[in-house]
Amino acid sequence: AQSVTQLGSHVSVSEGALVLLRCNYSSSVPPYLFWYVQYPNQGLQLLLKYTTGATLVKGINGFEAEFKKSETSFHLTKPSAHMSDAAEYFCAVSDKSGAGSYQLTFGKGTKLSVIP
Amino acid sequence: NAGVTQTPKFQVLKTGQSMTLQCAQDMNHEYMSWYRQDPGMGLRLIHYSVGAGITDQGEVPNGYNVSRSTTEDFPLRLLSAAPSQTSVYFCASSYPGAIKEAFFGQGTRLTVV
Repeated sequence: AQSVTQLGSHVSVSEGALVLLRCNYSSSVPPYLFWYVQYPNQGLQLLLKYTTGATLVKGINGFEAEFKKSETSFHLTKPSAHMSDAAEYFCAVSDKSGAGSYQLTFGKGTKLSVIP
Repeated sequence: NAGVTQTPKFQVLKTGQSMTLQCAQDMNHEYMSWYRQDPGMGLRLIHYSVGAGITDQGEVPNGYNVSRSTTEDFPLRLLSAAPSQTSVYFCASSYPGAIKEAFFGQGTRLTVV
């Protein structure tokens, strides 16, 4: 079974500072990788995704992530944090289950706080 | 665009009661799934369906039933609610095959007392 590890359940940054949220996955083959964002009392929405091709992917709201196969990582970054970035972020991997269908496996989430 | 619609948004149940959480999508997605979200646990897959008439268990299926009679609807039934089922439930849908993007509903916050 695939697994996703997000380092740090809670990250605090100052407004204007770099945001770095870490994600590592376990997979024997390159999977599809995602970052989702969840604002308070809302559902999840897709921030960005890696399927194939360019390893640096850009998403909404100025976020980007780099797929590094050698490190099995897919860290999320944003150069300058904004107050509106305060939310919970989930890394996820899509891969075939034992039954042969694809499933999404999520990390436990990282709650981002932005300090004025 | 409606996307994925979940009802109700909030529900309080007594232990032992049953209820059905509704999920409907209007994107003609074949793949639908139910997750529960608990603090510090992320999202865990309860059940999923790859098309009408086909369902399978996820990571935490005990205490829940599903059926898929149409492409649009994927209800989740709690047969006999327990306090351990207090959680936020999310329904999601996507195109079949390798999941390239999942669309989520707004969630149902369930409390079992």
